[in-house]
Amino acid sequence: AQSVTQLGSHVSVSEGALVLLRCNYSSSVPPYLFWYVQYPNQGLQLLLKYTSAATLVKGINGFEAEFKKSETSFHLTKPSAHMSDAAEYFCAVSTRGFKTIFGAGTRLFVKA
Amino acid sequence: NAGVTQTPKFQVLKTGQSMTLQCAQDMNHNSMYWYRQDPGMGLRLIYYSASEGTTDKGEVPNGYNVSRLNKREFSLRLESAAPSQTSVYFCASSVGRDQETQYFGPGTRLLVL
Repeated sequence: AQSVTQLGSHVSVSEGALVLLRCNYSSSVPPYLFWYVQYPNQGLQLLLKYTSAATLVKGINGFEAEFKKSETSFHLTKPSAHMSDAAEYFCAVSTRGFKTIFGAGTRLFVKA
Repeated sequence: NAGVTQTPKFQVLKTGQSMTLQCAQDMNHNSMYWYRQDPGMGLRLIYYSASEGTTDKGEVPNGYNVSRLNKREFSLRLESAAPSQTSVYFCASSVGRDQETQYFGPGTRLLVL
């Protein structure tokens, strides 16, 4: 079985500040991990994906995430927030033989 | 390249009415999915089709039926709509079922009165 937990349904940062969105997963086998972003009134789109090739994964728009097996975490970060980063972010886990499971989402607010 | 398309974009139904949500993808993907998104509940899988000719229930299948018409198209039918089915519905597709990136359509906003 697998599961994913996103800590914090809402996160607010100032423009230019560090963005940190937290994701913890549970999986009995090596997982593939994803971050998706959803802008208002749009569908989800892939931000980045971990496939076990490298623990630090770089995505679009300056985001990156680090896979930490010991902490079962895959937190999403961006050094400097921009107003255009305001969106909802979903962490997801998938393993061979199982469907992808999405977290509940974290809405990011960026203050000017 | 249109990706995943959904119709309609918005629909209002009365309780008891039926309707079909259409989804098509042009990426030659094998797997397709229907999700609903409700505030605070993230994405919940309604039905999925791992490959052409197969469909399986997801987390919340009650009140819905699906048809994988061909490799491109996957429709979702509400036989007798209820207010609890007011939601935003997303269709998605992927190369395979496991460990694959999913590509989402723009969504259908459904209001059941």
